[in-house]
Amino acid sequence: AQTVTQSQPEMSVQEAETVTLSCTYDTSENNYYLFWYKQPPSRQMILVIRQEAYKQQNATENRFSVNFQKAAKSFSLKISDSQLGDTAMYFCAFMAPSGNTPLVFGKGTRLSVIA
Amino acid sequence: EPEVTQTPSHQVTQMGQEVILRCVPISNHLYFYWYRQILGQKVEFLVSFYNNEISEKSEIFDDQFSVERPDGSNFTLKIRSTKLEDSAMYFCASSDLKGPGGQETQYFGPGTRLLVL
Repeated sequence: AQTVTQSQPEMSVQEAETVTLSCTYDTSENNYYLFWYKQPPSRQMILVIRQEAYKQQNATENRFSVNFQKAAKSFSLKISDSQLGDTAMYFCAFMAPSGNTPLVFGKGTRLSVIA
Repeated sequence: EPEVTQTPSHQVTQMGQEVILRCVPISNHLYFYWYRQILGQKVEFLVSFYNNEISEKSEIFDDQFSVERPDGSNFTLKIRSTKLEDSAMYFCASSDLKGPGGQETQYFGPGTRLLVL
């Protein structure tokens, strides 16, 4: 079974600075998807970024980018130019590619952006 | 932009009562999911649904739970006899068929906050 580990329960960053959230996973699959979801205080789950394991290029979405290290099974999220609205829980998630498979989530990292 | 919607946003019920949580997935999506998140904990998978039947379910999804797609748009989760430990945020998600794996990204609704007293 796949597992996802987020080793940083809480982090803080100054506004406009850069922060990196860590995520590691364990799987025997060769192809899969990885995601970062953001959960603000409203508790809605918002997709931030996704990465296909067969793509070597790291995904980017505006201020958000990932560092995907397949051999190390590492998938970190970098937030550049942090904004107050980035304050949220961030969940890393894994999905196997075959069939109607569920997401496997990590425990989350609570990020606080400080003015 | 299309989005998943869920109703109600909040539900308070007495232990032992039945509740039905409703979801409207994104219209061209064919795969549907329910997850739950107990306060302060991670999101856990409950069940996935495709072609009018359950594809996969977790050990949490016992006989007290059922899912249904009663019409072409709604996707419901029923809890027959609620327990205190069912108090959680319940998320519906849907996905499409793009990508080499068949489905690529699950989009979540805003959730229903269920409180069992």
